[in-house]
Amino acid sequence: DIVMTQSPDSLAGSLGEKATINCKSSHNVLHNSNNKNHLAWYQQKPGQPPKLLIYWASTRESGVPDRFSGSGSGTDFTLTISSLQAEDVAVYYCQQYYSTPWTFGQGTKVEIK
Amino acid sequence: QVRLVQSGAEVKKPGASVKISCKAFGYTFTNYAMHWVRQAPGQRLEWMAWINAGNGNKKYSPKFQGRVTITRDTAASTVYMELSSLKSEDTAVYYCARMAGPTGGLDYWGQGTLVPVSS
Repeated sequence: DIVMTQSPDSLAGSLGEKATINCKSSHNVLHNSNNKNHLAWYQQKPGQPPKLLIYWASTRESGVPDRFSGSGSGTDFTLTISSLQAEDVAVYYCQQYYSTPWTFGQGTKVEIK
Repeated sequence: QVRLVQSGAEVKKPGASVKISCKAFGYTFTNYAMHWVRQAPGQRLEWMAWINAGNGNKKYSPKFQGRVTITRDTAASTVYMELSSLKSEDTAVYYCARMAGPTGGLDYWGQGTLVPVSS
């Protein structure tokens, strides 16, 4: 199985501050067939299902604010929140869909200072 | 609008089975795959299986192979996930989630079904 490891496990930032979450894959998730990274990011708020933010590592899902951006390729990826808002308090997960079983990172909890 | 509505919480004893339904609304059911993901308390999300709602092809995580069965009823736009030989470690919230066509992300999720397993 591909192991997804996120860092940090948690972070606390001030309103308006930039937040960065890293995700490392144990296997390259850049697929030869389409030259795309099979990597997604999700946001999960307490008591809710996850919400898709980013797919193909850097494509924002429709309706997701542009303060959320994804970058990286191969095995190393980053989710950036350019200006933290109160509503961004949540746990964020990366997920690979390069091969089954699909696997998720352990999550990064984002809080406001 | 797209909605996935799951069946309600079920308390189970070790060794029992649970069958959860996921009814889809607002899109052509057979055009998308449906996945099942679970989340044990305080744990990361865990992918279990998926089914192509059009042709019925399915794939299971090796971790659950032999214990999990996914089926679909196209007339009812519903996918079912049955997990057998339940253990306390299977206590979790179980989610169905639609795969966003060729992009691979899971774009719509059900509300989740809590399954506590306890003697």
